[in-house]
Amino acid sequence: SYVLTQPPSVSVAPGKTARITCGGNNIGSKSVHWYQQKPGQAPVLVIYYDSDRPSGIPERFSGSNSGNTATLTISRVEAGDEADYYCQVWDSSSDHPGVVFGGGTKLTVL
Amino acid sequence: EVQLVESGGGLVQPGGSLRLSCAASGFTVSSNYMSWVRQAPGKGLEWVSVIYSGGSTYYADSVKGRFTISRDNSKNTLYLQMNSLRAEDTAVYYCAREPAYCGGDCYFDYWGQGTLVTVSS
Repeated sequence: SYVLTQPPSVSVAPGKTARITCGGNNIGSKSVHWYQQKPGQAPVLVIYYDSDRPSGIPERFSGSNSGNTATLTISRVEAGDEADYYCQVWDSSSDHPGVVFGGGTKLTVL
Repeated sequence: EVQLVESGGGLVQPGGSLRLSCAASGFTVSSNYMSWVRQAPGKGLEWVSVIYSGGSTYYADSVKGRFTISRDNSKNTLYLQMNSLRAEDTAVYYCAREPAYCGGDCYFDYWGQGTLVTVSS
């Protein structure tokens, strides 16, 4: 089955740029989606189809996907961005398709 | 307004059964791919199962043969029947919706608030 690898944690100072990676075999050929989850809350979609932003998500959130790595970039990081972030793809490579999540990255704002 | 409200969680003994419900409003569950996603305490998200708009169903290997996803179109409700429960099934269970225009290879645009299932003696 398909595996997505994320760093367990990323730390960044306020106002700086955070980059959270999501690694997978030829992930550039897949559509990658990103979710933000704060403690005690359900996940919220922040990026879909690699780089599209849902309405209501700040322009500070952006995404890219190429080769074996997809990246979520958060510019001008704010304290309110502190959360867990998950990447997600659909794996249709086998005879039983399904959703795959990365292990999650905890973003800490210093 | 789209809303998903889960219910049915609780404490169950190992080997027991539980049925989760996800009541939908603001859209028709039969028009969308609907999934269950779970999150064990302090852990990451794990996809559990999906039901396609056409009715096909798929499961994670960890629950195949024990869990069954279904829906009741008249009640606009999604279900997850969980049998032979194990301690490792302890988690918050979320129902999640994919946009109707998607046909797989898609994202979840709406999530419920989750319901906690605890499997313990």
